[in-house]
Amino acid sequence: AQSVTQPDIHITVSEGASLELRCNYSYGATPYLFWYVQSPGQGLQLLLKYFSGDTLVQGIKGFEAEFKRSQSSFNLRKPSVHWSDAAEYFCAVGIHTGGFKTIFGAGTRLFVKA
Amino acid sequence: GAGVSQSPRYKVAKRGQDVALRCDPISGHVSLFWYQQALGQGPEFLTYFQNEAQLDKSGLPSDRFFAERPEGSVSTLKIQRTQQEDSAVYLCASSLGDSEAFFGQGTRLTVV
Repeated sequence: AQSVTQPDIHITVSEGASLELRCNYSYGATPYLFWYVQSPGQGLQLLLKYFSGDTLVQGIKGFEAEFKRSQSSFNLRKPSVHWSDAAEYFCAVGIHTGGFKTIFGAGTRLFVKA
Repeated sequence: GAGVSQSPRYKVAKRGQDVALRCDPISGHVSLFWYQQALGQGPEFLTYFQNEAQLDKSGLPSDRFFAERPEGSVSTLKIQRTQQEDSAVYLCASSLGDSEAFFGQGTRLTVV
């Protein structure tokens, strides 16, 4: 069955430090992959997406992610975290099943300390 | 409209009451999705429409949950005889098809 695993429930980083959020997926075909961010009381905002082509994708707010087929991973990175990046981050896979739907991981909550 | 709009933003229902949650997708988006997000969890897929056709309802947790999109635009998620475990944020999203989904701010349902 299709699934998305985010191994870290929460992560704390210092402001200005680098960040990597892990994501592994399970899907038999070539996946469409997404990272979304959710601030408290808000809906989900798309950070970036991978459909095909270059495996390193750039997103908004200085985020990037790398698709590694051999590891079934799509980790999110940012070289220097800002306090405003504190939020919940969701990795997701888009699958074709009589249509197209998006399956989400459980999320990683990011805390940023001064 | 400019984005996905959901109403109401907050709903408190007494156990056993029926509720209806509304979603206005982005104009022109053929695909519409409903998700349930429990506290501290990721969104869980409920159902999916392509235009007015409900192509996948595998995520609906029970026959108390019903969704419709009769004219291929606005959608309503109805929950009959609400129970405490139905308390969650219900997210609606729309997309052009094989592309990213754009989400509304959700409806927070609390069943007391």
